[in-house]
Amino acid sequence: GQQVMQIPQYQHVQEGEDFTTYCNSSTTLSNIQWYKQRPGGHPVFLIQLVKSGEVKKQKRLTFQFGEAKKNSSLHITATQTTDVGTYFCAGPRDNYGQNFVFGPGTRLSVLP
Amino acid sequence: AAGVIQSPRHLIKEKRETATLKCYPIPRHDTVYWYQQGPGQDPQFLISFYEKMQSDKGSIPDRFSAQQFSDYHSELNMSSLELGDSALYFCASSLGDRIGHEQYFGPGTRLTVT
Repeated sequence: GQQVMQIPQYQHVQEGEDFTTYCNSSTTLSNIQWYKQRPGGHPVFLIQLVKSGEVKKQKRLTFQFGEAKKNSSLHITATQTTDVGTYFCAGPRDNYGQNFVFGPGTRLSVLP
Repeated sequence: AAGVIQSPRHLIKEKRETATLKCYPIPRHDTVYWYQQGPGQDPQFLISFYEKMQSDKGSIPDRFSAQQFSDYHSELNMSSLELGDSALYFCASSLGDRIGHEQYFGPGTRLTVT
């Protein structure tokens, strides 16, 4: 079945440094979603990418969907302590795209 | 804005007991998803419902069942609980069954099986 991989598993950065997490799928994705889960919290939807090569920005966050629609990345510029949490990518479980399989997540720690 | 409501927030049960988790989706949302998240793990999809019908099934054990009611709330019934069932159970809701609708997660129910 559909598999979504993410690297790195953990990332520790100094506040102000940049951070990138990568998501790879075993199959072509119709779309990909990104979620953030703060420690002790629940996943919160960040963004959805649909088009090949799509790039979307949300303030210091830049999301990219690969040309082949099999990989994606999330880049955070100048991290802040509020960025701490686990970032998950999620791809559709099947061609209908209604349900998603989550990647293992990248846990980000930001040292002040 | 109204969010997804889950009850109870915490639940402690003994092995072989049963548990029922409830989920109230955001008003007008017609799709509900259930996830299980173990410590340090990603959410594992269990089951989903669209318009009161089961729409997809993931890694839900046979000991578990779920349904979506006429008011769109959903319940996850868990029987013969095992120690390994201890986890956070999230419910999420979305609007419609079209591709890629964002899911709004509830705060979760933390189940501890002793």
